Amino acid sequence: NAGVTQTPKFQVLKTGQSMTLQCAQDMNHNSMYWYRQDPGMGLRLIYYSASEGTTDKGEVPNGYNVSRLNKREFSLRLESAAPSQTSVYFCASSAGPENEKLFFGSGTQLSVL
Amino acid sequence: GENVEQHPSTLSVQEGDSAVIKCTYSDSASNYFPWYKQELGKRPQLIIDIRSNVGEKKDQRIAVTLNKTAKHFSLHITETQPEDSAVYFCAASPGWAAGNKLTFGGGTRVLVKP
Repeated sequence: NAGVTQTPKFQVLKTGQSMTLQCAQDMNHNSMYWYRQDPGMGLRLIYYSASEGTTDKGEVPNGYNVSRLNKREFSLRLESAAPSQTSVYFCASSAGPENEKLFFGSGTQLSVL
Repeated sequence: GENVEQHPSTLSVQEGDSAVIKCTYSDSASNYFPWYKQELGKRPQLIIDIRSNVGEKKDQRIAVTLNKTAKHFSLHITETQPEDSAVYFCAASPGWAAGNKLTFGGGTRVLVKP
């Protein structure tokens, strides 16, 4: 039982490049989330998927797209990376109404030059 | 949308003393208030949570209190130990029916000095 697995752990991009962050959970959770973490700003929600087949915007969705590929996988895509997207990205999942606890992945440190 | 403010941003305490972190929220619809601990270089992990129908909850050395009228909640750590050194985040959510979207505070860096 690996929990929430994110890849890659580190990535350096040039401005304008694109990339996809992958996330998978093996806990049969219904909901999945993408957060970004910047110093002094806590964790800010980018997108979330309350259940398979649905996605919704969070606080800071601009410049990102997501895909809930199946119940296990939720990917985050940067189409044209900008320096303002330099951050640590966390994927998380939660089970459902009976347990709202978020389980986080280990994070992706992304630098956009 | 929801806005969560957290104070202080840094907190230094002597081992054995108590630490208190305070948060305020803006959306009266929020009904779930978790606290996460993040050690250096690690992922955030839930340490305690409270729902709006409860005023206080304890788990060993940590406790959380909630004042719905004033829209604020606090984390209390007693008998602090060096392993309590970490960044702590409060959060608020309108609950599962609204997608369980957590809004986090800016974090408090706690340093426990031996």
